[in-house]
Amino acid sequence: AQKVTQAQTEISVVEKEDVTLDCVYETRDTTYYLFWYKQPPSGELVFLIRRNSFDEQNEISGRYSWNFQKSTSSFNFTITASQVVDSAVYFCALSEAGPGGGADGLTFGKGTHLIIQP
Amino acid sequence: DVKVTQSSRYLVKRTGEKVFLECVQDMDHENMFWYRQDPGLGLRLIYFSYDVKMKEKGDIPEGYSVSREKKERFSLILESASTNQTSMYLCASRTAYGYTFGSGTRLTVV
Repeated sequence: AQKVTQAQTEISVVEKEDVTLDCVYETRDTTYYLFWYKQPPSGELVFLIRRNSFDEQNEISGRYSWNFQKSTSSFNFTITASQVVDSAVYFCALSEAGPGGGADGLTFGKGTHLIIQP
Repeated sequence: DVKVTQSSRYLVKRTGEKVFLECVQDMDHENMFWYRQDPGLGLRLIYFSYDVKMKEKGDIPEGYSVSREKKERFSLILESASTNQTSMYLCASRTAYGYTFGSGTRLTVV
């Protein structure tokens, strides 16, 4: 069975600091997908990134970057020069490739509450 | 952009009531999902559906049922609401690239 662990329940940093959110996953499948979602106080889940298991390239999008390492089963998320608007709960999630290619839904970590103080 | 709409943002229901949570997507997607979100537990899958009239249990289906009579609509039913079903409920639709979520229904059972 798959599992996603976000060991950091809450992180608090001062604005402009860099911060890394950890995500460790478990799966027996060789084909799977990893996601990060942001949940601001409004409650809606906002998609940030999807990565498939065959693509270990790191990705950078503005102040956001992701480090995928199959050797350690980790998919960590770094925010550079954090801003108050980054304050939210961040979820890492895993989808295994079922008959429909991930049709069985996402397995989520418990989330990391990120607080950026001005 | 795919839109997933949940009909109610907030609901307050009494213990024992039958409760319907509605979710509609506008892109003819086959796969839809219901999750509940609780503090410290993250999101947990209740039920999902591959297509019309098809449904599969997720991780925590007890006390819930679902209905998918039309492709665009996936309803979550609480047969007899209980206080431990007070939670945030999130519906999702699976796209070619990932999953799009609705804005959630915060249900309080009193």
